[in-house]
Amino acid sequence: NAGVTQTPKFRVLKTGQSMTLLCAQDMNHEYMYWYRQDPGMGLRLIHYSVGEGTTAKGEVPDGYNVSRLKKQNFLLGLESAAPSQTSVYFCASSYSTAQETQYFGPGTRLLVL
Amino acid sequence: DQQVKQNSPSLSVQEGRISILNCDYTNSMFDYFLWYKKYPAEGPTFLISISSIKDKNEDGRFTVFLNKSAKHLSLHIVPSQPGDSAVYFCAASGDYTNAGKSTFGDGTTLTVKP
Repeated sequence: NAGVTQTPKFRVLKTGQSMTLLCAQDMNHEYMYWYRQDPGMGLRLIHYSVGEGTTAKGEVPDGYNVSRLKKQNFLLGLESAAPSQTSVYFCASSYSTAQETQYFGPGTRLLVL
Repeated sequence: DQQVKQNSPSLSVQEGRISILNCDYTNSMFDYFLWYKKYPAEGPTFLISISSIKDKNEDGRFTVFLNKSAKHLSLHIVPSQPGDSAVYFCAASGDYTNAGKSTFGDGTTLTVKP
């Protein structure tokens, strides 16, 4: 039981490049989330999904796209990376939002030059 | 408008003493509160939670207190241990106009000195 895993762990991009971050969970959770964490700040929600095939915008969705084609996977895409997207990205999952304990992945550190 | 605030960015305590981490919220629709702990280079992990129908929840050395009238909660760690040194995030959920999602504070870095 791996919990929540994220790929890759670290990536350096040049401005304008694209990439996809992969999140996978093996807990059969319905809900999945993508957050970014910047120094001195909390976790800001980028996008989330309440089930396979559904996605919704969070607080800071601009510049990102997501897909949830399979229940266990949640992909975060950057179509044209910008230096402002340099951050640590965390994926999380939860059974529901009613009393949501979220289970987080280890994070992906992204540097955009 | 930040709905969940942790006004102390950092806290330093001596091993064996009590650590008190504070959190304030503004949205009266929040009805469930959680604390997460985060070590460097790791994702946050769930620590303890409390429902709005309670004013206290205890789990070993960790106790969370909720004061709904003041919209304030606190996490007490007694006794504090060096392994407790981490960033602690307060989170609140229950605003179902916002799909019930959790809103996180900015975190408090706790340092427990041996």
